[in-house]
Amino acid sequence: QKEVEQNSGPLSVPEGAIASLNCTYSDRVSQSFFWYRQYSGKSPELIMSIYSNGDKEDGRFTAQLNKASQYVSLLIRDSQPSDSATYLCAVIGGYQKVTFGTGTKLQVIP
Amino acid sequence: EPEVTQTPSHQVTQMGQEVILRCVPISNHLYFYWYRQILGQKVEFLVSFYNNEISEKSEIFDDQFSVERPDGSNFTLKIRSTKLEDSAMYFCASILDRVTNEKLFFGSGTQLSVL
Repeated sequence: QKEVEQNSGPLSVPEGAIASLNCTYSDRVSQSFFWYRQYSGKSPELIMSIYSNGDKEDGRFTAQLNKASQYVSLLIRDSQPSDSATYLCAVIGGYQKVTFGTGTKLQVIP
Repeated sequence: EPEVTQTPSHQVTQMGQEVILRCVPISNHLYFYWYRQILGQKVEFLVSFYNNEISEKSEIFDDQFSVERPDGSNFTLKIRSTKLEDSAMYFCASILDRVTNEKLFFGSGTQLSVL
């Protein structure tokens, strides 16, 4: 059973549109959730963290968490070509282990 | 801004050779990790390290792998006898603490190529 699941994509959106990225996780005791952006050949870069149910907004990014459904999402408003990357969902479970999903590749079409 | 540093950025080795990948985590961080990413695949957890001991390791982290924090700053990953399938990007990462700040900061990675 996969611990953190994401649709691998690619997800293609036109420039200026909203990109919606989704993630589900299996470990019910997980308390901390993160979204990372990874450009090809580069290391993951943290863009959002969320710890409680609901929405958290930071600029053009909104993270949404629903612990009952074991679901976390990332919305990117006004998508830009520079947002084209792979977005990794990460979950902290027991023993400080950070588990990553396979990532969703986002393509923003100019 | 403090960062996790990794050396070397690229390492080429022959199958069966030992390699040591080096990392300097952010100075006040307490939890240290190694991850790897095979080209085109997911970021895979290898091992977590806290208070000078391994706190968790994955199935990938077999007897060929070891980690060490030989002094107050370096955190190393050793692969004793490299295999072709060990070719990957290896990322070191650190977290300040689990109570107030769980954000995982990554180094820029070491690309390991086993020939």
